[in-house]
Formats: sequence, C-alpha cells, structure tokens
Amino acid sequence: ETGVTQSPTHLIKTRGQQVTLRCSSQSGHNTVSWYQQALGQGPQFIFQYYREEENGRGNFPPRFSGLQFPNYSSELNVNALELDDSALYLCASSYNGHRNTEAFFGQGTRLTVV
Amino acid sequence: AQKVTQAQTEISVVEKEDVTLDCVYETRDTTYYLFWYKQPPSGELVFLIRRNSFDEQNEISGRYSWNFQKSTSSFNFTITASQVVDSAVYFCALSEATGGYQKVTFGTGTKLQVIP
Repeated sequence: ETGVTQSPTHLIKTRGQQVTLRCSSQSGHNTVSWYQQALGQGPQFIFQYYREEENGRGNFPPRFSGLQFPNYSSELNVNALELDDSALYLCASSYNGHRNTEAFFGQGTRLTVV
Repeated sequence: AQKVTQAQTEISVVEKEDVTLDCVYETRDTTYYLFWYKQPPSGELVFLIRRNSFDEQNEISGRYSWNFQKSTSSFNFTITASQVVDSAVYFCALSEATGGYQKVTFGTGTKLQVIP
C-alpha cells in the first residue's frame, strides 16, 4: 500500500455541479499528478503540480483546475460537470516529477455524474 | 506524440501457466522511461517495473520478467507460473519529460484472468 490517499472514494454529482477531489501525497514527494480513467480505458494525464505550481497539462478544458498546498497535498476541481466526466480520478505523487521516477498512485475517487 | 498500444484486451489462463503481456510504444524522444503497472479491482495502480531507454538488459524478478527491445519498440511482460492473485488489469506506460514535467502515457490495459 502506498502513502497516497484520496478522498472521497466515491461521489455522485449532478450535471452542471462542481466537485472537489483531494489527494495527500506520499511523504517526501513534492509532485502530484492527476489522471482521469474512464471505464475500460487507461488513465489520461490531466495535469501535474510541482511545488505548488502547475507545470504541465494534458488535453483537458479549463473547467478542470487544481491546487497544490505547501504540504504538497492537492485538489482537483471540476466545474460545470458533464456526464462524460464520470470516471475514476487517480492522483499520483512522485519526487521532482522527473521522467525517471516512478509515480505512486492512490486508490482513486470514483465520480459518477448523473 | 507518444503512444502506447496493448493489443491484448483480455487474456485468460489456467493457474500455473505462463502468460506474456504485449506492449508496443511510439515516441520521438531518445530518452524515455517505460513502466508496467498492475491495477487490481480495488482501483489503485501498483508500480511493477521501470526501464529507461538506454537499458535493454532484460530482467527477471521472482515470477516476473521483462523483455525490452528498442529495435521493435516493444516492452513485454511475462508472468511465470501464474496465480489467481495475479488477476488484474495490467498497464504499460511511457514517460517523457516534456517541457520539464513528467507526462505519462498509458496503454488501454490488458485484463488478465487466472482461472484456478
């Protein structure tokens, strides 16, 4: 079991609402990445935060936003929820976000938009 | 753009059989990293192995082994003497440092079912 924890584990929201997902990174890790995993698909990179700054982003619209706090924990915010946002959201922490470090994943938050 | 292809969507084997999961990748980078992750039903991705593009030495770790061939852009994963606990979805992933951050591209996964 990794030291990455995510909350909540499950969530149901209505289309048009806003949601905040939380992630506590593993001790000693300063980089957090967020991924969206639709059913039957591989995880898709949303963005990465390094020392409280977003330093990389995938092909997701601006209504997907995030924060990283001084203790390196992170939030993913999604505004104006759409049905297609239903997915497992995974948070991964690593050290310095370099290509040569493995990322440790949390158990994910399963979001259902109805 | 980077791409990872796992052509096998589902594999079923009987316990104690060997099984190989295929992975083919595309990248323009000369330096990159390849990973295998396991995702059990609980949802958490479990790191299995990391290989960099300069290290083509294949490795065996317990029941797991990996075959990295840069010439064919393949990074295959073998489980010998499979066990029921190996049942999970396995993801191959490619990591490049694009613009100073680590962007990991995952394949679509191979669901392995080990039948007792």
